[in-house]
Amino acid sequence: DGGITQSPKYLFRKEGQNVTLSCEQNLNHDAMYWYRQDPGQGLRLIYYSQIVNDFQKGDIAEGYSVSREKKESFPLTVTSAQKNPTAFYLCASTSERLIAKNIQYFGAGTRLSVL
Amino acid sequence: EDQVTQSPEALRLQEGESSSLNCSYTVSGLRGLFWYRQDPGKGPEFLFTLYSAGEEKEKERLKATLTKKESFLHITAPKPEDSATYLCAVRVGSSNTGKLIFGQGTTLQVKP
Repeated sequence: DGGITQSPKYLFRKEGQNVTLSCEQNLNHDAMYWYRQDPGQGLRLIYYSQIVNDFQKGDIAEGYSVSREKKESFPLTVTSAQKNPTAFYLCASTSERLIAKNIQYFGAGTRLSVL
Repeated sequence: EDQVTQSPEALRLQEGESSSLNCSYTVSGLRGLFWYRQDPGKGPEFLFTLYSAGEEKEKERLKATLTKKESFLHITAPKPEDSATYLCAVRVGSSNTGKLIFGQGTTLQVKP
């Protein structure tokens, strides 16, 4: 059963703590993306990766970091430098063929809250 | 600056009451407009892609249309299960990265 798996579903962060959100896909997709969604706002791009060992900053990368060591995995770390991390985080992926059509498939999301 | 605006922010309909959602865009070079459906607490689900003015796509009770300035998502005889947030997104410029700009969404509630 192919898809994108995000974990955990809910995550709580303490002051000064770094937390990592997991995103795994078994669709054999090349490109992966991280978005942040706040109430009443559209999705905003944090980071994206088109190939293993390479990634680029999106529109709101400050306070976040990523890695792409495997094609299937694109974890997002929310660092202590991100002062307003409370949001719904979405991971998406697409294949090189689908990029031309811009069809991105999304995971179920992780809701991050600050304690 | 590239911008996508959706209206209304929220829409409440009675079952069977048809209506339309609007997505207007101001972008430097449109390379596709996309509609997604998002249920509460879940990730967006792809619905349609439109590439050129005059293009239309249909799926069950939904029909998406595109002009040079905006797109409409028409909902015909909606049912309660159509209740969700509908997101519009555009791809712009010459980038081959697949980057999308999203609108803020329209939350639709269909009452039985």
